[in-house]
Amino acid sequence: KQEVTQIPAALSVPEGENLVLNCSFTDSAIYNLQWFRQDPGKGLTSLLLIQSSQREQTSGRLNASLDKSSGRSTLYIAASQPGDSATYLCAVSRGGADGLTFGKGTHLIIQP
Amino acid sequence: DAGVIQSPRHEVTEMGQEVTLRCKPISGHDYLFWYRQTMMRGLELLIYFNNNVPIDDSGMPEDRFSAKMPNASFSTLKIQPSEPRDSAVYFCASSLEDRGLCEQYFGPGTRLTVT
Repeated sequence: KQEVTQIPAALSVPEGENLVLNCSFTDSAIYNLQWFRQDPGKGLTSLLLIQSSQREQTSGRLNASLDKSSGRSTLYIAASQPGDSATYLCAVSRGGADGLTFGKGTHLIIQP
Repeated sequence: DAGVIQSPRHEVTEMGQEVTLRCKPISGHDYLFWYRQTMMRGLELLIYFNNNVPIDDSGMPEDRFSAKMPNASFSTLKIQPSEPRDSAVYFCASSLEDRGLCEQYFGPGTRLTVT
């Protein structure tokens, strides 16, 4: 059974810092990996999707990398801002259109 | 597009009552997913549909839970009878498979409280 772990569970840093969120999964036979952001009391917003054949994806200040063989992904946030404060969730799928298996998330606070 | 629409946004009901959650996926999407989020277990897949047909319902916790998708623009998740341990946020998501890419888009969720 696939298990997804996110470290750290919580992180608080001052504004302007670059930071890295980590995600690991036990079964490397994944098809897609998706990073989401969740604000308190809200739904999930998709940030980046990486296919298993890809190594990384970038969107603005966000960069996600994937090392499928070692079962790891990282989300890099450059020049963090208070508006980045949220919970970040990592999720993987077995197939292209399969359901997602989620980690418990990293709760991020950016101090002004 | 308005995105994935869920109703109601909040539901409070008494144990034993029937609860129906509703979802309208993004127009043109061919996959629809139902997830449940709790503090203890995080986000878990309950069931998903492809072209209105249930594909995997192995995450449905008990026979008290059922889901239907009568057409491409509407799905329901029903709990009958409801129990306090069903209290959670229920999310609906939809996606369109495009050359293997299947990015999922989530609705705002329904917060269910069973007393």
